[in-house]
Amino acid sequence: DIVMTQSPDSLLVSLGERATINCRSSRTLLYSSNNKNYLAWYQHKPGQPPKLLIYWASTRESGVPDRFSGSGSGTDFTLTISSLQAEDVAVYYCQQYYFTPLTFGGGTKVEIK
Amino acid sequence: EVQLVESGGGLVNPGGSLRVSCVGSGFTFSSAWMSWVRQAPGTGLEWVGHIKSKTQGGTTEYAAAVEGRFTISRDDSKNTLYLQMTSLKTEDTAVYYCTTFIVGAMASDYWGQGTLVTVSS
Repeated sequence: DIVMTQSPDSLLVSLGERATINCRSSRTLLYSSNNKNYLAWYQHKPGQPPKLLIYWASTRESGVPDRFSGSGSGTDFTLTISSLQAEDVAVYYCQQYYFTPLTFGGGTKVEIK
Repeated sequence: EVQLVESGGGLVNPGGSLRVSCVGSGFTFSSAWMSWVRQAPGTGLEWVGHIKSKTQGGTTEYAAAVEGRFTISRDDSKNTLYLQMTSLKTEDTAVYYCTTFIVGAMASDYWGQGTLVTVSS
């Protein structure tokens, strides 16, 4: 199985500051035939279902604010929130969909400093 | 507007069975690949399994932890996805979400609100 490792486990960021979350895969998620990385990012707030933010490592889902961006390729990926807002407090998960079983990272909790 | 509404969760004894359902609306259900994802208390997200559309074979895949005990099925005439759970264990206690996959990618773009399954004596 592909193991997804996120860091840090938690993050304290001031309002308006940048938040950076890392995700490392135990195998490459880059499919050479289409040059796409099979990696998604989700935001999960308490009492709500998870919300898809990013797929193909860097494609923002419709309606997601542009302060959220995804980058990286192969085995190392990053989710960046360029200017943290109060409503961004949540747990963020990466997920690989290159191989089954589909696997998630352990999550990164983002809070306001 | 896409909606996914789960139902059927509840309390069940270890070793027991339960079927949860998910009714979809606002999209072409028969064309969608669907999945179940769960979250046990205090833990992260875990993929349970998925089912392809019938036109693409209707095949299923499962996580090792549930293989042989859980069965995913669909009734496209009712826009309904099912998760039949048997031989339930206490570690199956979780909120179960049904999701749709993005076309061409097994990333979940729409999620239901979830249904809580508690396995306890």
